[in-house]
Amino acid sequence: GESVGLHLPTLSVQEGDNSIINCAYSNSASDYFIWYKQESGKGPQFIIDIRSNMDKRQGQRVTVLLNKTVKHLSLQIAATQPGDSAVYFCAEKVGETSGSRLTFGEGTQLTVNP
Amino acid sequence: NAGVMQNPRHLVRRRGQEARLRCSPMKGHSHVYWYRQLPEEGLKFMVYLQKENIIDESGMPKERFSAEFPKEGPSILRIQQVVRGDSAAYFCASSPRLAGGPDTQYFGPGTRLTVL
Repeated sequence: GESVGLHLPTLSVQEGDNSIINCAYSNSASDYFIWYKQESGKGPQFIIDIRSNMDKRQGQRVTVLLNKTVKHLSLQIAATQPGDSAVYFCAEKVGETSGSRLTFGEGTQLTVNP
Repeated sequence: NAGVMQNPRHLVRRRGQEARLRCSPMKGHSHVYWYRQLPEEGLKFMVYLQKENIIDESGMPKERFSAEFPKEGPSILRIQQVVRGDSAAYFCASSPRLAGGPDTQYFGPGTRLTVL
């Protein structure tokens, strides 16, 4: 039979606009969260992380917001550039400092139009 | 400081053959994780290893798959008697496990396995 691949959620923005990518995580015991960027044919690249005792963290052009009440994570990218086009994954982990698996979300395909 | 290295980048095998995927962690990292990614899906955890020890293999299929991280040399993910369903991208990540610091995992470029 024919296999059908999953279709990633997509977000299309104009260059220079701000982008917001959302993620719902599943495990209320998770206490460490990471956003990764994955370009076609490459491995996931670390963008920014946040611990569960924080609700906001800023990096260069990126901000991560964490709402533990509703188990929601978002990534904001300011002044989005064509080079930001990629699939973005959130990942959650139980045990911030201990070795344990990452559980990945489904990913969002971000397309930046020039 | 070189990142996580994986080889080969692309691997083609026929059904029934063996596939060996190698991962060299970042310098100073002694913890290795393997993940599998199917097209347009997120990464799924397979196994977590420290030097000479398997810590968590709960994500690895019980048959045909094995992993090791010897005292010397890279970590190896081995798939015996490959089937078409094994076709995927396999990613390795490493972390430093610094005392008191977050266990941030850094990924390699992946090995894309195609089973004919």
